[in-house]
Amino acid sequence: AQSVSQHNHHVILSEAASLELGCNYSYGGTVNLFWYVQYPGQHLQLLLKYFSGDPLVKGIKGFEAEFIKSKFSFNLRKPSVQWSDTAEYFCAVNALGAGGFKTIFGAGTRLFVKA
Amino acid sequence: GAVVSQHPSWVICKSGTSVKIECRSLDFQATTMFWYRQFPKQSLMLMATSNEGSKATYEQGVEKDKFLINHASLTLSTLTVTSAHPEDSSFYICSARGTSTYEQYFGPGTRLTVT
Repeated sequence: AQSVSQHNHHVILSEAASLELGCNYSYGGTVNLFWYVQYPGQHLQLLLKYFSGDPLVKGIKGFEAEFIKSKFSFNLRKPSVQWSDTAEYFCAVNALGAGGFKTIFGAGTRLFVKA
Repeated sequence: GAVVSQHPSWVICKSGTSVKIECRSLDFQATTMFWYRQFPKQSLMLMATSNEGSKATYEQGVEKDKFLINHASLTLSTLTVTSAHPEDSSFYICSARGTSTYEQYFGPGTRLTVT
């Protein structure tokens, strides 16, 4: 069965610091990869996605992620975080399983950016 | 962009009663819909996948007789929590996927509180 691991459960950064959130998945076949953000009290929003092509994908709000197939990883990065980036970030993997394609989420990483 | 709505956004019910939650794709046809639940400060856990016109596929550990899912049309799926108990209190989120994409669009969620 597919699974998604996010290594950091809580991250605290100061404004302007660089961010990297780890995400690894276990699935041997073709996958589609996503990062979602959930701001306090709000619903999920898509940050970026990877289906195929250039493994370095750029998303909204200055975020990017790199798919490294050999490492089964899809880490999220941002060069300089802002206070408004305080939120919870979820890595998600879409792959073929019982019942068809489905998306499984990682446990999430709660990011707090100090002003 | 694709929009998914849920109704109600918040429901409080008494223990032992049943609650129905609706999920609608507003501007696209959703051949597949997914139901997730999210406990406070935790990730989204996939409950079931439903394809229009067929029975839902439930994830391991999810009681299909307790969480009834109906996907009667290409724009509507319903989740009925039968004989609800306080431990069913959670945030229920649906997502929908169209015919030509792996991307899922998420609804705003329904907060269920069982007293």
